[in-house]
Amino acid sequence: QVQLVESGGGVVQPGRSLRLSCAASGFTFSTYAMHWVRQAPGKGLEWVAVMSYDGSDRYYADSVKGRFTISRDNSKNTLSLQMNSLTTEDTAVYYCARVGVGSVAAAGNWFDPWGQGTLVTVSS
Amino acid sequence: QSVLTQPPSVSGAPGQRVTISCTGSSSNIGAGFDVHWYRQLPGTAPKAFIYGNNNRPSGVPDRFSGSKSGTSASLAITGLQAEDEADYYCQSYDRSVSAWVFGGGTKLTVL
Repeated sequence: QVQLVESGGGVVQPGRSLRLSCAASGFTFSTYAMHWVRQAPGKGLEWVAVMSYDGSDRYYADSVKGRFTISRDNSKNTLSLQMNSLTTEDTAVYYCARVGVGSVAAAGNWFDPWGQGTLVTVSS
Repeated sequence: QSVLTQPPSVSGAPGQRVTISCTGSSSNIGAGFDVHWYRQLPGTAPKAFIYGNNNRPSGVPDRFSGSKSGTSASLAITGLQAEDEADYYCQSYDRSVSAWVFGGGTKLTVL
């Protein structure tokens, strides 16, 4: 079955970096665009970043632009999120999510399925 | 403050019909972008429940339906059941911020 498993979360001090990974299985990873979405404790969902199937296109939310970098390794079926200059505002559960259909970062697309999430806590 | 506006909470008795609204603007729903809905049970990841305004993924009961009109969308749940208690989020795309956007979420309580 289709499965997404995030890892790499943890506690990190403000200003430091962290790298998240998402291992995909059960589908042809190299043919789908992939997103990161986060959810601060007790809050709603916030889109973070997207990458097209081949890595040629990537887009970021304004809140993370210039600090976060999304990447993928299609040979390893892995999506990554490099997070630099972390602040307390970045504390959240980070989910990777596949697009419902399609290989590009299409505006009308939806997120399906989602991984179980990994918690990032930025605290001194 | 979310780009898409949802009521914080709705409630209904078992068997009743409830609707959850999602209000946007001319830069997202009103611009013609599709609306999608997700259900999130406590402590779990969101799950797609309605996509493309009114389509149900396999496994989602036909008690759930979506609609879209103008700058708003709605999720309707008929024959309310205790297991429907969850948080529901709408999602679309906003061209003014060039981002995929969510509503703030609605907590559904089955009385």
